[in-house]
Amino acid sequence: GAVVSQHPSWVICKSGTSVKIECRSLDFQATTMFWYRQFPKQSLMLMATSNEGSKATYEQGVEKDKFLINHASLTLSTLTVTSAHPEDSSFYICSAELTLVQYFGPGTRLTVT
Amino acid sequence: AQRVTQPEKLLSVFKGAPVELKCNYSYSGSPELFWYVQYSRQRLQLLLRHISRESIKGFTADLNKGETSFHLKKPFAQEEDSAMYYCALTGTFNKFYFGSGTKLNVKP
Repeated sequence: GAVVSQHPSWVICKSGTSVKIECRSLDFQATTMFWYRQFPKQSLMLMATSNEGSKATYEQGVEKDKFLINHASLTLSTLTVTSAHPEDSSFYICSAELTLVQYFGPGTRLTVT
Repeated sequence: AQRVTQPEKLLSVFKGAPVELKCNYSYSGSPELFWYVQYSRQRLQLLLRHISRESIKGFTADLNKGETSFHLKKPFAQEEDSAMYYCALTGTFNKFYFGSGTKLNVKP
């Protein structure tokens, strides 16, 4: 149980375009999901907390207009990277909370050319 | 401010040797501490949490509030334990804060 999926697993986009990443809790409902960014050989950096039915809470230094988060249902949160630039290339990971434990998705590799 | 510190980036031990992965934290309230593990090409998964007080795959971790530490220990390391280990804490609003991770390499 407690499986989280992400789609797509990898994506390549051109600079200036937008890309959407989906995070789904497959077998449980999650009122809270989290989005992280992981740079090569570094730890996870919390970007934002996604709350179902309300606005996401962004960490300091994360541009909310660039990283749009929508948590429209109890099983789906989306992260849209708008007007992507090469420096946005990274590994994006989501997690969903269940009984105070976070269950992680497999991650999405974004490459902006 | 909340902070999780894992001082070792890499820890190499021989199979059968004891292993201890260090984790220190700073948090003003009463945090919950976790250890997550990431095996090669797999997602992060929960290894153990301090409130469970359980042993998973032979690993244990004790929360030491005096030393603000939550070190992960195993008496006899196995090759399949080779992975990245992340210490994490959660506090207000259930946000998780991760340490920088320690790569454990268990040599045959």
